[in-house]
Amino acid sequence: GQQVMQIPQYQHVQEGEDFTTYCNSSTTLSNIQWYKQRPGGHPVFLIQLVKSGEVKKQKRLTFQFGEAKKNSSLHITATQTTDVGTYFCAGNSGGSNYKLTFGKGTLLTVNP
Amino acid sequence: NAGVTQTPKFRVLKTGQSMTLLCAQDMNHEYMYWYRQDPGMGLRLIHYSVGEGTTAKGEVPDGYNVSRLKKQNFLLGLESAAPSQTSVYFCASSRGFSYEQYFGPGTRLTVT
Repeated sequence: GQQVMQIPQYQHVQEGEDFTTYCNSSTTLSNIQWYKQRPGGHPVFLIQLVKSGEVKKQKRLTFQFGEAKKNSSLHITATQTTDVGTYFCAGNSGGSNYKLTFGKGTLLTVNP
Repeated sequence: NAGVTQTPKFRVLKTGQSMTLLCAQDMNHEYMYWYRQDPGMGLRLIHYSVGEGTTAKGEVPDGYNVSRLKKQNFLLGLESAAPSQTSVYFCASSRGFSYEQYFGPGTRLTVT
């Protein structure tokens, strides 16, 4: 079945440093979604990427979808303490049957 | 709009007891989902529904049953709770498979 691998599992940074998490799928994806979960909270949708090679930005966050639509990344520039949380990617293989598969997430902690 | 709500927020069960978790959404979404989240395991899909009166199995359905009698509600039942079902349960809804999912606040269940 479809597998979505996410690395690293944990990342600790000093405030102001950059952060990147990577997502790799075993199959070609129709689209990929990114979610953020604050400690003790629930996942909140950040963005969806659909096109091959797509790049989207949200303030200090940059999301990329690979040319082969099998990998994606989330980059945060100059982290802040408010960025703390777990970032999940979720790959959708498309079609009529449900096939949204979540990665295990990257837990980001930020030292002020 | 309340979005997605879940009841209860916390519950402690003894092994063998039964319970029902209720999820409600007010966004008129057709699709609803139940996930469990365990440390280091990410989000795993238990069951989902693509419309009123329909349900389907996800990745980890054993030990759980669901019902979608009304479009806005999705119930998750545990007939005979086991310690392995200790987890945080999240409900989510969406317009369709390729759309973002909106998550409820979660139910923390402990089975002793």
